[in-house]
Amino acid sequence: AQSVSQHNHHVILSEAASLELGCNYSYGGTVNLFWYVQYPGQHLQLLLKYFSGDPLVKGIKGFEAEFIKSKFSFNLRKPSVQWSDTAEYFCAVNANFGNEKLTFGTGTRLTIIP
Amino acid sequence: GAVVSQHPSWVICKSGTSVKIECRSLDFQATTMFWYRQFPKQSLMLMATSNEGSKATYEQGVEKDKFLINHASLTLSTLTVTSAHPEDSSFYICSARWSLANSYNEQFFGPGTRLTVL
Repeated sequence: AQSVSQHNHHVILSEAASLELGCNYSYGGTVNLFWYVQYPGQHLQLLLKYFSGDPLVKGIKGFEAEFIKSKFSFNLRKPSVQWSDTAEYFCAVNANFGNEKLTFGTGTRLTIIP
Repeated sequence: GAVVSQHPSWVICKSGTSVKIECRSLDFQATTMFWYRQFPKQSLMLMATSNEGSKATYEQGVEKDKFLINHASLTLSTLTVTSAHPEDSSFYICSARWSLANSYNEQFFGPGTRLTVL
C-alpha cells in the first residue's frame, strides 16, 4: 500500500516570498501524483498532476511541482506567493493502473501574511 | 470541466436517525465514486470505493452496515449514515472518477457535506 508524507504542517509566509512544500511518497510501483488545494470553506481543487513525461509539472495559479523519482518526492513550488494562496494543500498519490484509490498526505496549512 | 455535486451541503440530525448524502457527477459518467471523511484540520480518509452496479469496497475499519453506499447509476452514488451518533459528525466528501478508457485516474471532488449529529 502507498503512503504520503507532508512534513510541513503549517507554513507562514509573507506575500512575495517563495514557497516550497514537501511531499514524499512510499510505493514500489509506478504512481500518479497530485497536488490539491482547499481554500477556506471550499472544496478540493486540483492544482496539478504528474502521470508521465517531463518531471517538472506546471499547474494553475503559478504553481509547479517536480517529480524526483530517486527521492520519491513531489514538492510543490511557487516563486512568489499571494495572500489569496492561503489555503490547505494536499499531496496525493495513486498507483498508475486500474481504479486504484488516492492516498492523501496529512496536508499543509499555508498562511500568507499581507 | 467535470463537476461533482453533493446534497445536502450541511445537515444536522438527532442521534439515532439516518442521514442520506447524494453525490452526482453532473457532466460526465462515473463508473467509480469514492467516499472520504475529513476531520477538522486533518486529511481526507478514504471510506469506500463505489462501483456502479456492484457492492462498494470498504476500507479497513469502516463499518459497512453503518455507512451504506449505493451506486445505482453512472451519475449518482449515495452514502447513508445509519443510526448516526455524535462521533459520526464530520465532513463527508465524494469524488468521481472519469470512466473513459484513456483517463489517468483523475478524481473530481464534490464540495462536501457537513454532518452534525446532536
